[in-house]
Amino acid sequence: DIQMTQSPSSLSATVGERVTITCRASQGINAYLNWYQQKPGKAPKSLIYAAATLQSGVPSRFRGTGIGTEFSLTISSVQPEDSAVYFCQETYSASCTFGRGTVLEI
Amino acid sequence: EVQLVQSGAEVKKPGESLRISCQGSGYSFGKFWIAWVRQLSGKDLEWMGIIYPGDANARYSPSFQGQVTISADTSNNTAYLQLNSLKASDSAMYYCARGYGVDSWFDPWGQGTLVTVSS
Repeated sequence: DIQMTQSPSSLSATVGERVTITCRASQGINAYLNWYQQKPGKAPKSLIYAAATLQSGVPSRFRGTGIGTEFSLTISSVQPEDSAVYFCQETYSASCTFGRGTVLEI
Repeated sequence: EVQLVQSGAEVKKPGESLRISCQGSGYSFGKFWIAWVRQLSGKDLEWMGIIYPGDANARYSPSFQGQVTISADTSNNTAYLQLNSLKASDSAMYYCARGYGVDSWFDPWGQGTLVTVSS
């Protein structure tokens, strides 16, 4: 099974700050990496797919990078509405494993 | 607007069975995959399996193979997740989500169905 390790598990940021969340796969997954945002009481929402492609309607301050085993989600200038849990997910394997999430507090 | 609407919350006893539904609208239901994802304790997400409604081709995570059954009915644009022999550990939020392929991202997601298994 592929393990997806996200870090940090939580972080606190101030408005306007640049924030980076990383996701490491236990083996190479090419660019089969997606990022989701989940707010309290809501379903996850797609942010980035195929490691670097911004989902339609998602603000351009969100950026995904990486390939192979190391991936990052960067928010260039964090806003109050970005307070949420962020998950990465690999879709390379038959298990399509999610990371354990990063709680972002603004 | 593309939308997935799931059936309502359920309370079941251990050993009982349950079928959750997920109705799609605003797109050609038979031409996109529908995945099912479980969320435990409001945090950990687990991919359970996926189905292509157009030909009922279903794939399962090894962790859930044999434990659940995914099906779809294109006549009413609805996918289903069947859970049998429920245990307390099956208590979770269950989401359906639209996929573009077996290995694609999911967008959008249904609103979730909360399942509580308790004696």
